[in-house]
Amino acid sequence: DTAVSQTPKYLVTQMGNDKSIKCEQNLGHDTMYWYKQDSKKFLKIMFSYNNKELIINETVPNRFSPKSPDKAHLNLHINSLELGDSAVYFCASSQSSLGETQYFGPGTRLLVL
Amino acid sequence: AQSVSQHNHHVILSEAASLELGCNYSYGGTVNLFWYVQYPGQHLQLLLKYFSGDPLVKGIKGFEAEFIKSKFSFNLRKPSVQWSDTAEYFCAVGTGGFKTIFGAGTRLFVKA
Repeated sequence: DTAVSQTPKYLVTQMGNDKSIKCEQNLGHDTMYWYKQDSKKFLKIMFSYNNKELIINETVPNRFSPKSPDKAHLNLHINSLELGDSAVYFCASSQSSLGETQYFGPGTRLLVL
Repeated sequence: AQSVSQHNHHVILSEAASLELGCNYSYGGTVNLFWYVQYPGQHLQLLLKYFSGDPLVKGIKGFEAEFIKSKFSFNLRKPSVQWSDTAEYFCAVGTGGFKTIFGAGTRLFVKA
């Protein structure tokens, strides 16, 4: 059973397009996250939701809009994609938002042409 | 501001060599400390963690880490590395304020 799953695994698209990445966790966790990992492997938090409520928004451009329909899902929609958005995006979840162990999804490798 | 620094960006070792990866953080309060590992082409997974108690913690695959509170450090060690330990290693600090801060990562390459 996959604990944290993401779709799609790979995404290749043109500049200016709008795309979405989906994330689901079946661990019963309250908190979910989106991270961006750039080409140098640096991992940066983008958003965090706790029980469907946004609790962290790390100065991400408003072209990025997370949506949490329920606490098991946290989707990421990106408008007007730019070359600099090319990266691997990781979804993660944790039991709560109190700095606990995070469980990561397999990542979505986004390439913007 | 809270931060996590990993001393080495790249480490190259031969098999059977000993490993120590440094991690220091800046935060004055209670912390949870983690090391995550990312094998080539895979997602991050937990290697070990420290929440409280014995400052020397043991993780999977023979890794251990020691929390030294006075030095704000949580260094990762392994007495004898294997080729399969080739990966990116991330130190992370959970401060309880909704955020876990990750270090920039250390890329370990083990020569067979």
